[in-house]
Amino acid sequence: EDQVTQSPEALRLQEGESSSLNCSYTVSGLRGLFWYRQDPGKGPEFLFTLYSAGEEKEKERLKATLTKKESFLHITAPKPEDSATYLCAVQGGSEKLVFGKGTKLTVNP
Amino acid sequence: GAVVSQHPSWVICKSGTSVKIECRSLDFQATTMFWYRQFPKQSLMLMATSNEGSKATYEQGVEKDKFLINHASLTLSTLTVTSAHPEDSSFYICSATPGSSSYEQYFGPGTRLTVT
Repeated sequence: EDQVTQSPEALRLQEGESSSLNCSYTVSGLRGLFWYRQDPGKGPEFLFTLYSAGEEKEKERLKATLTKKESFLHITAPKPEDSATYLCAVQGGSEKLVFGKGTKLTVNP
Repeated sequence: GAVVSQHPSWVICKSGTSVKIECRSLDFQATTMFWYRQFPKQSLMLMATSNEGSKATYEQGVEKDKFLINHASLTLSTLTVTSAHPEDSSFYICSATPGSSSYEQYFGPGTRLTVT
């Protein structure tokens, strides 16, 4: 059974204080690992797809990396508008996405 | 691009009534659409997968007769919650994937259902 575990559950940062979110996974035949951002009362917003170990992708202050067992979402010099819940999901042999519970990030000004 | 809409964004209904939620892909054709449910402080749980013109595939534990899914076209899927009860109150989110060349799912903004 595919599983995703995200840590920490919640993270508070000061504006400009860089940090990383972790996503550990077990999956049978990884098709892709996905990162989404979800604001309260909204649907998830797509951020990145990673397909193979060693792959990295960047978007503004975010950088996602992937190994065979985990993925990191690095946030460099975060701003208050980066506050959200960040969701990690894996897609294995089927088209189904299996989500972690997310990391709630709060960036204080 | 890859915009998915949902309607309504929120709905309140009385116990025993039925509610229909629409999910539309606005700028692409969605071969597959997915319906999720999310409880407060919980992750998204897949309810069912639907392909245009085919019967939906429901996840284990999801009642087919209670949650009716219709995927009548490549841009529209509907979820009908029949004989709703308070325990059906939740945040329902749909997603769509553009096609076999992409594994990425694009999500709608969600529908908040409250059953009184």
